[in-house]
Amino acid sequence: DIVMTQTPLSSPVTLGQPASISCRSSQSLVHSDGNTYLSWLQQRPGQPPRLLIYKISNRFSGVPDRFSGSGAGTDFTLKISRVEAEDVGVYYCMQATQFPRTFGGGTKVEIK
Amino acid sequence: QVQLQESGPGLVKPSETLSLTCTVSGYSISSGYYWGWIRQPPGKGLEWIGSIYHSGSTYYNPSLKSRVTISVDTSKNQFSLKLSSVTAADTAVYYCASGIITVFDYWGQGTLVTVSS
Repeated sequence: DIVMTQTPLSSPVTLGQPASISCRSSQSLVHSDGNTYLSWLQQRPGQPPRLLIYKISNRFSGVPDRFSGSGAGTDFTLKISRVEAEDVGVYYCMQATQFPRTFGGGTKVEIK
Repeated sequence: QVQLQESGPGLVKPSETLSLTCTVSGYSISSGYYWGWIRQPPGKGLEWIGSIYHSGSTYYNPSLKSRVTISVDTSKNQFSLKLSSVTAADTAVYYCASGIITVFDYWGQGTLVTVSS
């Protein structure tokens, strides 16, 4: 199985300031079709997960442009350019390059 | 707008079979690329259970494979999960999710299933 490791576990951020979350996979996530199936999901308190970013850097429908994804191979980053109160929650990376699909352990974003 | 809604018993006895259904609205399930189930034990992270593709192919998490069955009912625009021989370790919020544009793009609200006698 591909192990997804996220850092940090927790990220206290001041409103309006940037936040960055790292995700590292135990193997390359480049698929044989040339795509890299690395997604980022947001889970607000008491809510189901919501897709933010897919294939490293593609924002899903309705996702604000303050969210951006980058990376390649085994190292990926989610950035929030200016954190807003509604961004509080847990963020997960997920790989869909190989079966079984696996998730990172999550990073909690909270306001200082 | 695509919406998914899980339904099923909230309490299952140990050794019995957990059965959940996901009803899809706003989209024809027969047009979707694939459909899947994910679970989240209370206070913990996400675990992929399995997926079923439009071709009918199914893929299951090896850790659960011997106990899991996922199927689709196109006439009802639903897909289902069965997990047999449950134990307390299977207590979790169970989510259904779609793969229309990409992997797990739309999610249901989730349903808590507790395994207890």
